[in-house]
Amino acid sequence: EVQLVESGGGLVNPGGSLRLSCAASGITFSRAWMTWVRQAPGKGPEWVGRIKSKTDDGTTAYAAPVKGRFTISRDDSKSTLYLEMNSLKTEDTAVYYCTTDSFDFWGRGTLVTVSS
Amino acid sequence: DVVMTQSPLSLPVTLGQPASISCRSSQSLVYSDGNTYLSWFHQRPGQSPRRLIYKVSIRDSGVPDRFSGSGSNTDFTLKISRVEAEDVGIYYCMQYTHWRTFGQGTKLEIK
Repeated sequence: EVQLVESGGGLVNPGGSLRLSCAASGITFSRAWMTWVRQAPGKGPEWVGRIKSKTDDGTTAYAAPVKGRFTISRDDSKSTLYLEMNSLKTEDTAVYYCTTDSFDFWGRGTLVTVSS
Repeated sequence: DVVMTQSPLSLPVTLGQPASISCRSSQSLVYSDGNTYLSWFHQRPGQSPRRLIYKVSIRDSGVPDRFSGSGSNTDFTLKISRVEAEDVGIYYCMQYTHWRTFGQGTKLEIK
């Protein structure tokens, strides 16, 4: 059974930083392209970015609203995906989901609230 | 950026009746390999989205055959042949030809 479990969410001040983690099991994580998607309260999902597998060069891509502020990385030895978020804005408030890049498996999400 | 526009935004349906959701993209979703990368998702309150259909019309494992996807180029449709109580929630289309963009969602409720 595939499981994706996000953690690291919480309340942070505008301008602050936070690192989210996503622990994967039930998949060959090292071969998987992985994605972060967020969903603001009452809104539809929004793609944040993705990271390829290292064997496919491991490169990242980001949505315009987060480019330059967010960084996706992975530790294949721990089957874990990360999202480093800096210079956070109130509009970054959302539930952040980890998914496979094919969107067939999703975690339950972790809530990030940016507020003073 | 590719804009995905769904209609209607609200869809009240009687149990056992059909339902149809439209999704239009601001540009063609046909990729250079000839495939069209359009998916449909269902989200119940408090849950993560669940993929129902990918590449326009391929149902995911475990998705009832009352769900069907169709369309081409910029115009796509999700149909439910006979709505059941478990189908309530919000439906989203998403294109993954040009990066990834979601529609704004269609809320299906039972009349």
